[in-house]
Amino acid sequence: IAGITQAPTSQILAAGRRMTLRCTQDMRHNAMYWYRQDLGLGLRLIHYSNTAGTTGKGEVPDGYSVSRANTDDFPLTLASAVPSQTSVYFCASSPGTGLTEAFFGQGTRLTVV
Amino acid sequence: GENVEQHPSTLSVQEGDSAVIKCTYSDSASNYFPWYKQELGKRPQLIIDIRSNVGEKKDQRIAVTLNKTAKHFSLHITETQPEDSAVYFCAASWKVNDMRFGAGTRLTVKP
Repeated sequence: IAGITQAPTSQILAAGRRMTLRCTQDMRHNAMYWYRQDLGLGLRLIHYSNTAGTTGKGEVPDGYSVSRANTDDFPLTLASAVPSQTSVYFCASSPGTGLTEAFFGQGTRLTVV
Repeated sequence: GENVEQHPSTLSVQEGDSAVIKCTYSDSASNYFPWYKQELGKRPQLIIDIRSNVGEKKDQRIAVTLNKTAKHFSLHITETQPEDSAVYFCAASWKVNDMRFGAGTRLTVKP
């Protein structure tokens, strides 16, 4: 693993189903984030984690949950998917010690039908 | 919370011309302003950033200017090349877990 990796790359999901998007980083970054990217809306923060064991809500947290059991992993769960959650999801990380560059994963394209 | 507006949403220039993308922000506490480039189907990647104690920063053909009084900052790309074609995002932040992005500008450089 080099950097930050997301899985799956893409997924088609039936509405009402539960889905977990995986994110792993090997840079020992403290801070991790989940964004969704929608055309014309840019990147919007869903949830974040400043350090292992802590999480917080971003701009658009409804319908999503996260956990941060260790430094490397930051999964995003959709408990019961709805079509409005169709989007491209990006996981990102940053050292967390001050304001610096965020490194993004390659993205997960999720379609809820 | 912070609100970032970005203009224009699309920009088309001829190869060799300059391109300028502008962003405004609402929270005067913001003090970190990065710019990301996203090529088609790829992840956003940082191309340049500026902090509130600096008015201008350059890196080869790209530069960013910041006007804290007016709460706006701009990305300037000179001598554009076809490989500059991408979507560019500005962002503003005052704390680690609250970076707000603009809606993006799709830049097309015509050869």
